[in-house]
Amino acid sequence: GAVVSQHPSRVICKSGTSVKIECRSLDFQATTMFWYRQFPKKSLMLMATSNEGSKATYEQGVEKDKFLINHASLTLSTLTVTSAHPEDSSFYICSATGRGTGTAYGYTFGSGTRLTVV
Amino acid sequence: AQKVTQAQTEISVVEKEDVTLDCVYETRDTTYYLFWYKQPPSGELVFLIRRNSFDEQNEISGRYSWNFQKSTSSFNFTITASQVVDSAVYFCALRINQAGTALIFGKGTTLSVSS
Repeated sequence: GAVVSQHPSRVICKSGTSVKIECRSLDFQATTMFWYRQFPKKSLMLMATSNEGSKATYEQGVEKDKFLINHASLTLSTLTVTSAHPEDSSFYICSATGRGTGTAYGYTFGSGTRLTVV
Repeated sequence: AQKVTQAQTEISVVEKEDVTLDCVYETRDTTYYLFWYKQPPSGELVFLIRRNSFDEQNEISGRYSWNFQKSTSSFNFTITASQVVDSAVYFCALRINQAGTALIFGKGTTLSVSS
């Protein structure tokens, strides 16, 4: 079935540094990638939607200059948290849909990245 | 606008009890899709089921069953004879029938099953 590989699974970084999270679709073409953020014991909040080759569409309240999303190819999308601060600590998870996806009606989730900013 | 409500924040049961997780959705679209996901402590989302709006048949998969009722806009999930391994956060989600749209998640229900 469809698989999305998300790396890293955990990352600790210092305040002020940038962190890049990658999501790769391993056996299908991810035409659309969704990025979610999840606070502890909270729901998944959609941050942005990106279509391959286009600029990402951000949800209201999400700073696009802080959360840079790149979706330059059909198999790779990245989320870069720039100048990270402790309040950016969270669980980030990607979800891809596109051509050749599996049984979950085209929504394949990565395994998530737990970001801790110290 | 679309919305998913999971009114139960936390549920605690003892092993072998049956438990039902409620999900109520809102959408004006006539074609839409409903999902349930399980999120164990490790964090990954495990797909459980997808239902489209035209298929109101209830579904059973082992100890899991789902009751979809359009009349009440509900898509409830029942675990029969719960087990400790069922302990997780369960999310109900909705997607409208438009290409490239994201899933809209409910707030989730944390299920704790004790032995």
